[in-house]
Amino acid sequence: QVQVQESGPGLVKPSETLSLTCAVSGYSMTSGYYWGWVRQAPGKGLEWIGSTHHSGTTYYNPFLKSRVTITPDTSKNKFSLNVEFVTAADTAMYYCARFESSVLRAFDIWGQGTVVTVSS
Amino acid sequence: QTVVTQEPSFSVSPGGTVTLTCGLSSDSVSRRSYPSWYQQTPGRTPRTLIYNTDIRSSGVPGRFSGSILGDKAALTITGAQADDECEYYCLLYVGGGIWVFGGGTRLTVL
Repeated sequence: QVQVQESGPGLVKPSETLSLTCAVSGYSMTSGYYWGWVRQAPGKGLEWIGSTHHSGTTYYNPFLKSRVTITPDTSKNKFSLNVEFVTAADTAMYYCARFESSVLRAFDIWGQGTVVTVSS
Repeated sequence: QTVVTQEPSFSVSPGGTVTLTCGLSSDSVSRRSYPSWYQQTPGRTPRTLIYNTDIRSSGVPGRFSGSILGDKAALTITGAQADDECEYYCLLYVGGGIWVFGGGTRLTVL
């Protein structure tokens, strides 16, 4: 059974870097699929952050691209998210998810999410 | 700036049929937008309902169906039930490897 699980600090100070990791189990990232991040600010809708492939091909939300990096680590079967220069607007639930890009063209496996609060 | 539009809210009677739509601010939605639909109850992880326009996810009841209606993607619930009351989001491909979620539709069943 394929599972993804987010981890990382729940509190980040303004102007610092938010770093999260998504561990993949039950499936090897090198076998395919894209792997992505989605966030949801309190009381708001879902926001696509970006997706990465084990080959290194990565796509980002244009509005976040200047601050966001998503990196696959196939040796540990995980991928990470870094968001630089965070502000209160980056406070959100962050989900990692698997994205099937050939036939289904959608997120099919979701993590439980991790709450990140930006505050001093 | 590409905006994906959804009705902010919708209401349906139990047993009734409702169609939620998903559009683009500056273009038509087609199968090449690869629309997918997600259901989310408060405090829970999103659940994938529909892949690539009209492929129902495993375990999703048959009363949920996806399609293209005119220039929008559509999610139809036929025979709505009380536990269908939640938020629904669509996701569209807008080119260049970029995907955009709609703002969500809050469905009330009453």
